[in-house]
Amino acid sequence: EIVLTQSPGTLSLSPGERATLSCRASQTITGSYLAWYQLKPGQAPRLVIYGASRRATGIPDRFSGSGSGTDFTLTISRLEPEDFAVYSCQQYGSSPLTFGGGTKVEIK
Amino acid sequence: QVQLVESGGVVVQPGGSLRLSCAASGFSFDTYGMHWVRRAPGKGLEWLAFIRYDGSHTSHADSVKGRLTISRDNSKNTLYLQMNSLRPEDTAVYYCAKDQEGRIDDGVMDGWGKGTTVTVSS
Repeated sequence: EIVLTQSPGTLSLSPGERATLSCRASQTITGSYLAWYQLKPGQAPRLVIYGASRRATGIPDRFSGSGSGTDFTLTISRLEPEDFAVYSCQQYGSSPLTFGGGTKVEIK
Repeated sequence: QVQLVESGGVVVQPGGSLRLSCAASGFSFDTYGMHWVRRAPGKGLEWLAFIRYDGSHTSHADSVKGRLTISRDNSKNTLYLQMNSLRPEDTAVYYCAKDQEGRIDDGVMDGWGKGTTVTVSS
């Protein structure tokens, strides 16, 4: 199974700053089949990015994804108050589907 | 608008059984594959199981195979997770999620419920 390692574990930033989150895979992810989800307490998780770089419906353009092979990045260009959350990457190129451990983006 | 509402989460003793339900609305349920995913306290998301839109194919994570079983009733727009031989490590919030692509086993989950909490404890 593909193991996804996210870093850093926690990112402490201020609103307006840029956030860069990393997701590294233990082996190549076929077809860049990598997604990112936003998790907030008590809410339904939300799809942010799929196909490594495609924004999901309704996701603002301050969110962008990049990468291929084993290294992927989620960038939030200017953090808004509603962006502080946990972000989890997921690969769907191989079975079983696997998620990373998550990166918490917290207010500094 | 996609709506998924999980139910059935309770406190159960180790070795016990439970069935979770996920009521779907706002989309053509019988056109989309569905997943169960959980998040244990202090841990990341864990994919558990998938069922194809018509129920013709299922897959389960090795960690739960033989104990957790996914099923669906398209006439009721409802997804299920039968949980047997529960262990303390099954304590988690359980989410159902919708596959993004219809009639294709996609793996991207573009709609989620808020989850239901299962606690396995004596």
